[in-house]
Amino acid sequence: DAMVIQNPRYQVTQFGKPVTLSCSQTLNHNVMYWYQQKSSQAPKLLFHYYDKDFNNEADTPDNFQSRRPNTSFCFLDIRSPGLGDAAMYLCATSRVTSSYEQYFGPGTRLTVT
Amino acid sequence: KNEVEQSPQNLTAQEGEFITINCSYSVGISALHWLQQHPGGGIVSLFMLSSGKKKHGRLIATINIQEKHSSLHITASHPRDSAVYICAVLYNTDKLIFGTGTRLQVFP
Repeated sequence: DAMVIQNPRYQVTQFGKPVTLSCSQTLNHNVMYWYQQKSSQAPKLLFHYYDKDFNNEADTPDNFQSRRPNTSFCFLDIRSPGLGDAAMYLCATSRVTSSYEQYFGPGTRLTVT
Repeated sequence: KNEVEQSPQNLTAQEGEFITINCSYSVGISALHWLQQHPGGGIVSLFMLSSGKKKHGRLIATINIQEKHSSLHITASHPRDSAVYICAVLYNTDKLIFGTGTRLQVFP
């Protein structure tokens, strides 16, 4: 089935140790999003790609970077994770049509020790 | 004041009850999502609608664009419906503004 896949589902990293989260999609959607969701809070948009065009939210820390090597894959790199970066990271995709409906992946839960 | 408000914040129900969750928004939108998130889980999109009403199984979503209001109804609720339900509006075509969520618990 066409879908949004995130790997790994659970990731544990050490304070300050770089970590990369992966998202792939088989929907051939041209927009991909990364959200951060902390406990009991709404998801917060970190950045999104419109094709290869990178759009960073103004309040996204520099510690967070992203790469999109092709249409199917998008990566979230956290250069020096802090304890406050522990969260669920959600990837979503949408197509540039009149609907822009977003399809979410299952998320990666990041723990920082 | 949040741009997207949901009510109630928490809801408990007995199995079989009819449930309504409300969403009001203050910005101009192109569409509205209803999303479901189980504890510790990812987000599933239930509906996206820009007018009228949609039905999928026991779930019904309605939207009134003039009144800037949407409702999600669950008929014959079941314990597996227990989750957080999130209203999110599509603003400026490609950005979602999320509501605070409604935590639903359905008891057998």
